[in-house]
Order: sequence, then structure tokens, then C-alpha cells
Amino acid sequence: NAGVMQNPRHLVRRRGQEARLRCSPMKGHSHVYWYRQLPEEGLKFMVYLQKENIIDESGMPKERFSAEFPKEGPSILRIQQVVRGDSAAYFCASSPREETKNIQYFGAGTRLSVL
Amino acid sequence: RKEVEQDPGPFNVPEGATVAFNCTYSNSASQSFFWYRQDCRKEPKLLMSVYSSGNEDGRFTAQLNRASQYISLLIRDSKLSDSATYLCVVNRANGGSQGNLIFGKGTKLSVKP
Repeated sequence: NAGVMQNPRHLVRRRGQEARLRCSPMKGHSHVYWYRQLPEEGLKFMVYLQKENIIDESGMPKERFSAEFPKEGPSILRIQQVVRGDSAAYFCASSPREETKNIQYFGAGTRLSVL
Repeated sequence: RKEVEQDPGPFNVPEGATVAFNCTYSNSASQSFFWYRQDCRKEPKLLMSVYSSGNEDGRFTAQLNRASQYISLLIRDSKLSDSATYLCVVNRANGGSQGNLIFGKGTKLSVKP
């Protein structure tokens, strides 16, 4: 009974490259959330997706960031033309249904380092 | 004013001590409240939900005061393994999706032998 799976665990990119972060929700969960945690900061909501739909992207930066959750396969958080300020831990969470108390279960995160 | 505010600590306590963390939130329409625990360089893990009537899980007791928009966590008989950062978490109730959680920056606890 695997939990939320994120890969890679660590990702190093040079400025200007693209970063792709993947997240497979827990079995039976259809809601995926992405959060970013800067060093010494709290987690910040980025985007909430269901299969093939973006429900809320109010926390996404306006440029360079995009997310998807296709019908088949994991959710992808994509960062184009990365900059040093993108260095952070990116956590994915999943929940079974929106009507619940929003209990979300987190993956181990992807630590992005931009050189 | 931050949406969720916590004392960052650190709280340094001896084993066996009782320690209490407090948290305030700004959105009076918030509906769901949680305490998560985050170990260094690890993911947040749900510790417990928080209900208006108060709830207890072993050595952990959580309280919610809606009138004051205040949440607390009490840890009794603290263990070395309780050392972590404790995150106060509130749902974002903005009339739309309720899937967004607002995290406090966390209160760091260090339990010493």
C-alpha cells in the first residue's frame, strides 16, 4: 500500500534549464496538491488538480510554472528556465475526496537545487 | 497579518515535560484545522485533526477556540522522539475549492535527555 510517491528525490539543474517533478498519489486518491517550501519557511500552496483538471492554481507563479494531472500517469510540476530562487523542496500531497476534511497525505518531496 | 501564526520557538524541554504550542489564524471562515509534524528535511505528517470539542490522542491534546481563532497542542510526558517541528494547518475557505491548506511556519521542539 504505497503512499504518495515523488521522484526524483533530488534534482539539480543549471539556470535556464527545465525541471520536471513527478507525483503519483496514493491508491484511490484522485486529488493532488503541490506545495513549495523555501529554506526556513512554511509550506506554500501552489496548485490543486484532479484528473485532467486544474481546480485551483492561485498559488502558482504566473510565469514558467505549470502543472498537469493526466488521465494516465503521474501529476507533473514543470518549471521552465529555472532560476536560483526556484531552489526549494517541492511536496506533493493527495487526498481521496474533496468532501472530506481536507486531510492530505504528503510525499517525501523533491529537493530542487538550481546552480 | 499572516494567515496562520505560530511561535517559531525553539522550545527546549527535558524528557517527561509537558509543552504547549499555540497558533492563531486570520480567516474566520476556516473550517478544518490540523496539526502536522515535520522532521528535519522530511515531509509533513498528519499528527491530528482539531475539533471544537477538543480531542486527545494518547499524550497529545488539541483544542480549538473559534471565537478567538486560536488552536493549541499540548504534549504530555514528552519523549526524545517528539523532537520535530510542529505545523499548525488551516484550510482555506474562500468559497471555492476547499483543497488548499495554509501552513504556519512551525514551532520547533527539542526534547533533551
